[in-house]
Amino acid sequence: GQNIDQPTEMTATEGAIVQINCTYQTSGFNGLFWYQQHAGEAPTFLSYNVLDGLEEKGRFSSFLSRSKGYSYLLLKELQMKDSASYLCAAFDSNYQLIWGAGTKLIIKP
Amino acid sequence: GAVVSQHPSRVICKSGTSVKIECRSLDFQATTMFWYRQFPKKSLMLMATSNEGSKATYEQGVEKDKFLINHASLTLSTLTVTSAHPEDSSFYICSARDLASGADTGELFFGEGSRLTVL
Repeated sequence: GQNIDQPTEMTATEGAIVQINCTYQTSGFNGLFWYQQHAGEAPTFLSYNVLDGLEEKGRFSSFLSRSKGYSYLLLKELQMKDSASYLCAAFDSNYQLIWGAGTKLIIKP
Repeated sequence: GAVVSQHPSRVICKSGTSVKIECRSLDFQATTMFWYRQFPKKSLMLMATSNEGSKATYEQGVEKDKFLINHASLTLSTLTVTSAHPEDSSFYICSARDLASGADTGELFFGEGSRLTVL
C-alpha cells in the first residue's frame, strides 16, 4: 500500500530550529510537497521537491532523498506564528497526491 | 500564485437539508478540481476529482449520490451535500492545479475551506 509517515506532534522553542521528518512509500514517485495548515484554515503551499537535495526558501528549507524515500522540512528562527500543522504529501506515478496525517508543531516562548 | 475561492466559509443547516459549496478559480482555468474532506486533527481525505464537462471521479467509499459534484465551467465546481446528517459535519476543501498556463509545478491551490455543521 501507499503511505506517508510523519510525527504526530513536535514542540520547539521560539527562535530555535526544528526539523520535521517524512518518509513515504508510494507506487512510483513524482515529487513531494510540504504544506502548512493553521487550525481551521486550508493548507498553504510551502515547497515542492522532485530532485534530491536541499531547497532553501527563506526560513524554510526542504530536503529530499529519493533513494531513501525520505524528506524533511527545516524551519529556522522559529516564530510563534509558525505554530501549525505541517502536511507532507507525495505524488505517485499517476500524479495522485498521497497525504500524511500532518505534524502539529507547537512553539513555546 | 493562482487563486481559488470557496464559498460559503461556514454553513449551519438542519438535518435533511441540502447544502451547496462553490469553488472558483479566479485567475486561471481549472479543468480539474479536487474536493477534500478533513476531520479534526486528521489529514485531508480526497473525496473526488472534478473534471470540467464530465462526471466526477469518486474515491472508494464516497457516496456519489450523497455528494453531488458539478463542474460546468472551467472556473467553477460545486459540491452539494444532499440530505445532510450530523455525521456529514466536517471541513470541506477544494483545490485546483493551474495546468493550462504552462507554469504548472504540481502545486495545488486551495480554497479557503467550508466548515459544515449539521444540526
